[in-house]
Amino acid sequence: LAKTTQPISMDSYEGQEVNITCSHNNIATNDYITWYQQFPSQGPRFIIQGYKTKVTNEVASLFIPADRKSSTLSLPRVSLSDTAVYYCLVVTNQAGTALIFGKGTTLSVSS
Amino acid sequence: GAVVSQHPSRVICKSGTSVKIECRSLDFQATTMFWYRQFPKKSLMLMATSNEGSKATYEQGVEKDKFLINHASLTLSTLTVTSAHPEDSSFYICSASQRGSQYFGPGTRLTVL
Repeated sequence: LAKTTQPISMDSYEGQEVNITCSHNNIATNDYITWYQQFPSQGPRFIIQGYKTKVTNEVASLFIPADRKSSTLSLPRVSLSDTAVYYCLVVTNQAGTALIFGKGTTLSVSS
Repeated sequence: GAVVSQHPSRVICKSGTSVKIECRSLDFQATTMFWYRQFPKKSLMLMATSNEGSKATYEQGVEKDKFLINHASLTLSTLTVTSAHPEDSSFYICSASQRGSQYFGPGTRLTVL
């Protein structure tokens, strides 16, 4: 499994765009990049997944360069409720494969 | 979307007792479920992989006789913490796999006095 590296913490203000970058130098051809969000005392929640270029949903965008050795989660116009831990994972998407979590990025949004 | 539930959401028990935590996939069948443990301000740590109808696969360092896992049906996996001690106090989270995606339960807060 490819190891991921992301900043331990980030601070932002309401209304700003937040970009969290994750590096995964050893990503394999069959791997996808997936981001989860976790609030205190709750299970992780799926945010977005991508393989290459750009993926966008109602919550976030995910940018993946051609070499796929890194990715950037973009949260537009964050609010206080976006304060959480964000995990970047490299997954094979094969049934029965466990997710291995790194340390994640603690995002703190202030007013 | 796929929903995974856990019961109970929190439990307090005395040292030496056993506690059972249930993980259910509510609207889909999951041949594989996973159990994680999370200590305060730490990341999730995979404990074991639960396979329906067969024995669970435990991660290195996780005592299988202490953390009993049973996956008796395609929608239910249970984790029993036997002879619990204060150091077992933690947040236990399960997940279920469907078509390559994983869905997490809300977690169970275990406090051992």
